[in-house]
Amino acid sequence: GQQVMQIPQYQHVQEGEDFTTYCNSSTTLSNIQWYKQRPGGHPVFLIQLVKSGEVKKQKRLTFQFGEAKKNSSLHITATQTTDVGTYFCAGSKTSYDKVIFGPGTSLSVIP
Amino acid sequence: GAVVSQHPSRVICKSGTSVKIECRSLDFQATTMFWYRQFPKQSLMLMATSNEGSKATYEQGVEKDKFLINHASLTLSTLTVTSAHPEDSSFYICSARAQPPLGSEAFFGQGTRLTVV
Repeated sequence: GQQVMQIPQYQHVQEGEDFTTYCNSSTTLSNIQWYKQRPGGHPVFLIQLVKSGEVKKQKRLTFQFGEAKKNSSLHITATQTTDVGTYFCAGSKTSYDKVIFGPGTSLSVIP
Repeated sequence: GAVVSQHPSRVICKSGTSVKIECRSLDFQATTMFWYRQFPKQSLMLMATSNEGSKATYEQGVEKDKFLINHASLTLSTLTVTSAHPEDSSFYICSARAQPPLGSEAFFGQGTRLTVV
């Protein structure tokens, strides 16, 4: 069945350093979504990518969808303590298929 | 953005009792709702997919007789954990997918933390 993998599992960075998490799917995806979950909270939608090679930016966050639509990345520039949380990618094979989550990358930021 | 309301946010129940969790899409019609379970420090694991007016599709390993899902309308889905046991204690989260043209984004509820004692 469809599998979504993420690396690294954990990342500890000094405040101000950059951070990247990578997401890989075993199958081609129709779209990929990124979520952030703060400790004790629920997942919050960040962005959706649908086009091959698409790059989107949200302030210090840059999201990329691979050319083959099987991988994606989230890059945070100059991390801040407010970036702490677990970042999940999630994808589906078609627009109306089930959404499968990756295992997440837990980000810690040392002030 | 679209709002999904999940209720209750926390519930403690005795072992052997049943608990119902509601998931409502407040400002859009959700043709599909997903139910996830999340154990501490783990990812969201899809339990089942429900489409309005039809039976839910359960993921492998999820007991359909234990986790009853009803999607009676385009704005409401319920998950009932029957004969709950301590190992059912978890964080349950629903998400709702809207009809076009809102797209395929799934909007999440706030989650329900279930503790079975």
